[in-house]
Amino acid sequence: LAKTTQPISMDSYEGQEVNITCSHNNIATNDYITWYQQFPSQGPRFIIQGYKTKVTNEVASLFIPADRKSSTLSLPRVSLSDTAVYYCLVGDSYNTDKLIFGTGTRLQVFP
Amino acid sequence: DTGVSQDPRHKITKRGQNVTFRCDPISEHNRLYWYRQTLGQGPEFLTYFQNEAQLEKSRLLSDRFSAERPKGSFSTLEIQRTEQGDSAMYLCASSSRAAKNIQYFGAGTRLSVL
Repeated sequence: LAKTTQPISMDSYEGQEVNITCSHNNIATNDYITWYQQFPSQGPRFIIQGYKTKVTNEVASLFIPADRKSSTLSLPRVSLSDTAVYYCLVGDSYNTDKLIFGTGTRLQVFP
Repeated sequence: DTGVSQDPRHKITKRGQNVTFRCDPISEHNRLYWYRQTLGQGPEFLTYFQNEAQLEKSRLLSDRFSAERPKGSFSTLEIQRTEQGDSAMYLCASSSRAAKNIQYFGAGTRLSVL
């Protein structure tokens, strides 16, 4: 079964870049790695996904090394509204349709 | 709003009672997922459907849990003989088959078993 590990929490100040790393093993070799954001009392919301190397969209970048045993979500110039829990999501190596959420990283942004 | 909707948002029940939750996915999505989330934890996969077919069930889904998706549209999750350990947020998500990792989540149903 796929297993993921993330830091429990991180603190930052507004305007800084934040990097959150997820370690994952036994993940599907041909599946995407996906990151989600969750605010209290809401369902998770898709941020970005990638397969390997670097992917960038309007809100974040995702770095995935060649061995795919980890991934790093990069949030440029965070604001107070980025305070949330961030999860990496991977497919299980035995069943890619079974998606495994990480333990989550609680990001607190201070003014 | 054409997002994923869940009903009810909150449910309080007594131990031993049955409860049923409903999820209406995004209409063009053929995949529907149920997750359970407890405080401070990430969502845990329970089951998923592709159209009306239930293709995977987690071992977390005991015999007291049953999910259906008649006609491949909305889905229901029923918990029979609820226990205090069932108290959690139950999340529903939907996705297209081509982009299964991009799931759109509802706001969830928070169940409290007294």
